[in-house]
Amino acid sequence: EVQLVESGGGLVQPGGSLRLSCAASGFTFSSDSMNWVRQAPGKGLEWVSYISSSGSIYYADFVRGRFTISRDNAKNSLYLQLNSLRDEDTGVYYCARDSGSGWSNLDYWGQGTLVTVSS
Amino acid sequence: QSALTQPASVSGSPGQSITISCTGTSSDVGAYNYVSWYQQHPGKAPKLMIYDVSNRPSGVSNRFSGSKSGNTASLTISGLQAEDEADYYCNSYTRGSTLYVFGTGTKVTVL
Repeated sequence: EVQLVESGGGLVQPGGSLRLSCAASGFTFSSDSMNWVRQAPGKGLEWVSYISSSGSIYYADFVRGRFTISRDNAKNSLYLQLNSLRDEDTGVYYCARDSGSGWSNLDYWGQGTLVTVSS
Repeated sequence: QSALTQPASVSGSPGQSITISCTGTSSDVGAYNYVSWYQQHPGKAPKLMIYDVSNRPSGVSNRFSGSKSGNTASLTISGLQAEDEADYYCNSYTRGSTLYVFGTGTKVTVL
């Protein structure tokens, strides 16, 4: 059974940093691309970042050098380093597997971890 | 990269069919057959319902179908059921500076 479990969220002040983690199991993590998607309270889904199995990386325009995606295949883990956090970065952050069949096929999602940016 | 445009809400009675539109541009929806749809119940993670415009993952009811014409993709739910009441989001691959873009989301209400 495929499982994705996010952790690392919490309350942080504006300008602060957090590192989110996503522990993967039930599939060959090293072979699959992964994404981070976020959702502000009461708002819609917003794609954040993507990393392929070979290390190709893409970010949403709003990231603007503040966030860094990475992976550790030995630990079956995905990460998102959040720096220079702003109020508008508040929300639930989901990791999602990219199925590998074409594009835009996020077939498994974690339960999310809540990031709250507030003074 | 602007979000794809969806109607804020769509409603229907049990047994009816409804269609949700997702309008993008010639750089995303219109350029590729890489459109997916996600269902999200309150407090839950999104669930993939349709990928590659019209393909259903294993386990998804055949009451859900997808299509595309030009820059607009559509999700149709036939035989509407109470359990279909949820938020729905489209997503497209894009050749813009990013990779993916989501729609604004549609709340489906079963009357």
